[in-house]
Amino acid sequence: QVQLVESGGGVVQPGRSLRLSCAASGFTFSSYGIHWVRQAPGKGLEWVAVIWYDGSDKYYADSVKGRFTISRDNSKNTLYLQMNSLRAEDTAVYYCARGFYCNGGSCYLDYWGQGTLVTVSS
Amino acid sequence: EIVLTQSPATLSLSPGERATLSCRASQSISSYLAWYQQKPGQAPRLLIYDASNRATGIPARFSGSGSGTDFTLSISSLEPEDFAVYYCQQRSNWLTFGGGTKVEIK
Repeated sequence: QVQLVESGGGVVQPGRSLRLSCAASGFTFSSYGIHWVRQAPGKGLEWVAVIWYDGSDKYYADSVKGRFTISRDNSKNTLYLQMNSLRAEDTAVYYCARGFYCNGGSCYLDYWGQGTLVTVSS
Repeated sequence: EIVLTQSPATLSLSPGERATLSCRASQSISSYLAWYQQKPGQAPRLLIYDASNRATGIPARFSGSGSGTDFTLSISSLEPEDFAVYYCQQRSNWLTFGGGTKVEIK
């Protein structure tokens, strides 16, 4: 069965960095674009970034552009999110999700991980 | 950016009743709309895509309709497990989500 498992969350001070991972199994990882979506505590969902199936294209929300970098290692079936210059407003649960029925990077999301919590606080 | 506005923010209903949730887009998105269900402490689950297509394994009591700017998610008869938060999402131009509708037990 399709599984996405995030890891790497934790408490980090403002201005510092953190790298999240998303391990995929149960499907051909290298055939799918994968997204990061976040959810601040008690709030709604916010799309963060997408990477093409082969890593050739990457796009970001304006709120994280220039600070976050999405990447993938198809040999390890793993997605990454490098988060630099973290701010308090980046505090959220971060989900990875598989793109479905896409037009370029515009997708629905059919499978989601359980999420990993990132807390930015001094 | 396409803004999605969901209403109402909270819907208080009893099991067995019909739920009707609304999602309005700031510009036409054709039928490029999905609905997700999220329960506390869980990830969202895809229910409906392309406005009216049920995702794999989704019960027939869930149905979606609409096109252009106005969309509706209907739950024909609420089961206890349906009380949750529901989000709409468009894929006409990248991805944006609505603010959510909480369906709570009356």
